[in-house]
Amino acid sequence: AQRVTQPEKLLSVFKGAPVELKCNYSYSGSPELFWYVQYSRQRLQLLLRHISRESIKGFTADLNKGETSFHLKKPFAQEEDSAMYYCALRGINYQLIWGAGTKLIIKP
Amino acid sequence: EAGVTQSPTHLIKTRGQQATLRCSPISGHTSVYWYQQALGLGLQFLLWYDEGEERNRGNFPPRFSGRQFPNYSSELNVNALELEDSALYLCASSLIGLAGDTGELFFGEGSRLTVL
Repeated sequence: AQRVTQPEKLLSVFKGAPVELKCNYSYSGSPELFWYVQYSRQRLQLLLRHISRESIKGFTADLNKGETSFHLKKPFAQEEDSAMYYCALRGINYQLIWGAGTKLIIKP
Repeated sequence: EAGVTQSPTHLIKTRGQQATLRCSPISGHTSVYWYQQALGLGLQFLLWYDEGEERNRGNFPPRFSGRQFPNYSSELNVNALELEDSALYLCASSLIGLAGDTGELFFGEGSRLTVL
């Protein structure tokens, strides 16, 4: 079955500490994976996609096919990183599967 | 370029009434998605339209329905409203299978439906 799991509903870390938002997937083919972010009072938007292998706002995510994971990481959290983060997978027939989301709170 | 636009921004209805929400995709996008974002429940997939056809439907009762018009705009209808339908309804558009398809969904700001 195709599934995206974000095990943490809420993650709270101090400013300056490393952040890792976990995402695991279950998919039989070659998935396309994405991280979306929703800041307070802003629309949901793409943060990064695994294909582009880029770093956005200091965040990176590496696709680990062996562990079927696509964790989002940032070495030093900033207060403006507080937001809701969603991991998503695009599979066959362009089906989109979403994780339940993780609310990240950065404490000052 | 204009982004995805949704109307109305806010809508207040009473139980049993019907609600209609509208979405205009980014110009050139043929796919429209509808999501429900209820408090504490994350993003729940409702419907996906592409080229005027319903491509997929989430696990919602039939009183949630919609359509996509020839200009690719879309409408979500919720009949026989229940209190638990109170939520933010998000629309997103994308290019699917077309040149420029990066897999990215572009979201609107949402329509907040309150059922009293």
